[in-house]
This record gives sequence, structure tokens and C-alpha cells, in this order.
Amino acid sequence: KAGVTQTPRYLIKTRGQQVTLSCSPISGHRSVSWYQQTPGQGLQFLFEYFSETQRNKGNFPGRFSGRQFSNSRSEMNVSTLELGDSALYLCASSLGTGLTQYFGPGTRLLVL
Amino acid sequence: AQKITQTQPGMFVQEKEAVTLDCTYDTSDQSYGLFWYKQPSSGEMIFLIYQGSYDEQNATEGRYSLNFQKARKSANLVISASQLGDSAMYFCAMREGGDFGNEKLTFGTGTRLTIIP
Repeated sequence: KAGVTQTPRYLIKTRGQQVTLSCSPISGHRSVSWYQQTPGQGLQFLFEYFSETQRNKGNFPGRFSGRQFSNSRSEMNVSTLELGDSALYLCASSLGTGLTQYFGPGTRLLVL
Repeated sequence: AQKITQTQPGMFVQEKEAVTLDCTYDTSDQSYGLFWYKQPSSGEMIFLIYQGSYDEQNATEGRYSLNFQKARKSANLVISASQLGDSAMYFCAMREGGDFGNEKLTFGTGTRLTIIP
């Protein structure tokens, strides 16, 4: 079974631009979570979607948003990019509530 | 207060030796889950092992075992017979609220493990 896939794998943007990252979960998985990893802050939870509904949200500004489609694929969007948004963005999927999350390879975003 | 504490920023271990990576956690929930993930330099987080707070036996997955001491709030990862491919960052994580709680994982700061040939 194919794992979690994320596109693109690498991205370079400039301050003020916006970006959309995509995540395709493991087939059959309905929960998708997003995390940001930076050297300074470590791994931080962004949000989680289940059946197209956002169930949980981390402590991030409103510039960070996401959505989930009926096929469980998810996108996250960051508007008005700042230098501090440079990070590895990881997506994880699970079959459902309380089950193990499996991560994708991540998208490395560099904001110049 | 830190919810997940990993006190070993880095460790060097000889190949074929066993290694223990420390993890302590802090929660007031009775029901929670503890996870260990491995992150090679490529960046992908690889799931290793899971322990539920109500599980009476320590979890094992091949060469990985979790030394769960609930009263001490510790969940140490033990890797037996280490291999060169075990060199990576290792993260301890917790999900609070039990199997029907929220999906947010809280991660520790990680331990960088280097296996020496």
C-alpha cells in the first residue's frame, strides 16, 4: 500500500507570497494532520481534518489554513509568507480517531 | 512546563550494542498514548512503536521495545543490537485524551543517535 505523499517536496517563495501544500493520505485513511518542524520550535501541530471537517487547530496565526476534500486529500495554505515560515511541513494520516499517525516525506519550504 | 522531555540531545553507540533513549512526559489525563518516531536525514517521520496508558505490558516491535513506567511517567525506547541504519533523530510523542481524544501529537525535542561501526 502506498504511503502518505506530499507535493511539492521543495519550494522556494519570497516574503508576502502565498503557498499551497498538498497531502494525499494512505488509502482508506480519513484523518489528516499537519505539523511544522523548525530548528528553533521543533515539531508543532498545525491542524487536523477528519471527513472534511477541521477538528483540532494548533496555536498558529490565521495565515495558516487548510482543508480536506471528499477523497481525504488535504491542502494547507499559508498566506503572506514570512521568513519565519521557512520549515519542513509534515503531513500525517491515520485510519481514524486514536490510531497511529503515519507521516509523509514532508515539504521543505524556504521563504526568502 | 514541557509535556515531553528528552534529555539526551545526542548519543553515540557502538554497532550491535543495545541503546536506551529516554523520554519523560507530563499529563493529567488518565488515558493517553505514547509514540516513538525515527527521522532520518531525509526528513520523513517513521513510526516505530506505540504504548497506550492502559496497556499492562510493554510494547515491542522487532528490535524496538518501550520501557513504560507509568508511575515515573517515563517511556524509554530500547533498541537492541543497533545497526548503522539506526543513525537518525528519534522523537518521543504523546497524544492526550485517549483513543477517542484529539489527534494532536506533542513531540519532544528529539535525540540524535549515531551508530559507530
